[in-house]
Amino acid sequence: SAVISQKPSRDICQRGTSLTIQCQVDSQVTMMFWYRQQPGQSLTLIATANQGSEATYESGFVIDKFPISRPNLTFSTLTVSNMSPEDSSIYLCSVVSGNDLYEQYFGPGTRLTVT
Amino acid sequence: QKEVEQNSGPLSVPEGAIASLNCTYSDRGSQSFFWYRQYSGKSPELIMFIYSNGDKEDGRFTAQLNKASQYVSLLIRDSQPSDSATYLCAVVSGYSTLTFGKGTMLLVSP
Repeated sequence: SAVISQKPSRDICQRGTSLTIQCQVDSQVTMMFWYRQQPGQSLTLIATANQGSEATYESGFVIDKFPISRPNLTFSTLTVSNMSPEDSSIYLCSVVSGNDLYEQYFGPGTRLTVT
Repeated sequence: QKEVEQNSGPLSVPEGAIASLNCTYSDRGSQSFFWYRQYSGKSPELIMFIYSNGDKEDGRFTAQLNKASQYVSLLIRDSQPSDSATYLCAVVSGYSTLTFGKGTMLLVSP
């Protein structure tokens, strides 16, 4: 299975600032996703990170707020822009290494607190 | 709006008992079904997937799928305290992305 690392593991940020989260995978993967898990809630898909092109965002999420890059098959970044306390959440990178979605693995997550 | 529903729990079972976790989904066109386990403060890990109606067994875990009733379940036999976690049901429809339920917390007491 793919080994996924995320940086930072946690951060406390002031409102109005931005934070970029990095996701690094130890092998090339076909698909990369970014999820959010708010306290007491399930995982919500933010977007699919597409290599070399714009990410595909889910309803309720926009590029200006959550810009995503994926320059190659092993790395992606998610930026949380102009943060507010409502953005406090755990952000998780997820990858699919094969053709079937059952091979989906999650990174350790980034715990973000916005004050 | 595709929805995946789970009882939030907690579901409390004694050690050695069978834990039964249930999930219903709204999209009749859903094709693939997954169970993830998430320990507190950790990321989800895949434990089972099922694509066809019926049962699928893997060790102490059995996934059951009934597409006509839009229902999927996870049975854990001989439950152990280490099984205490939140179990997330996830469903794939159409666009090949996962829709997660809110999860059921399982507590296994020694």
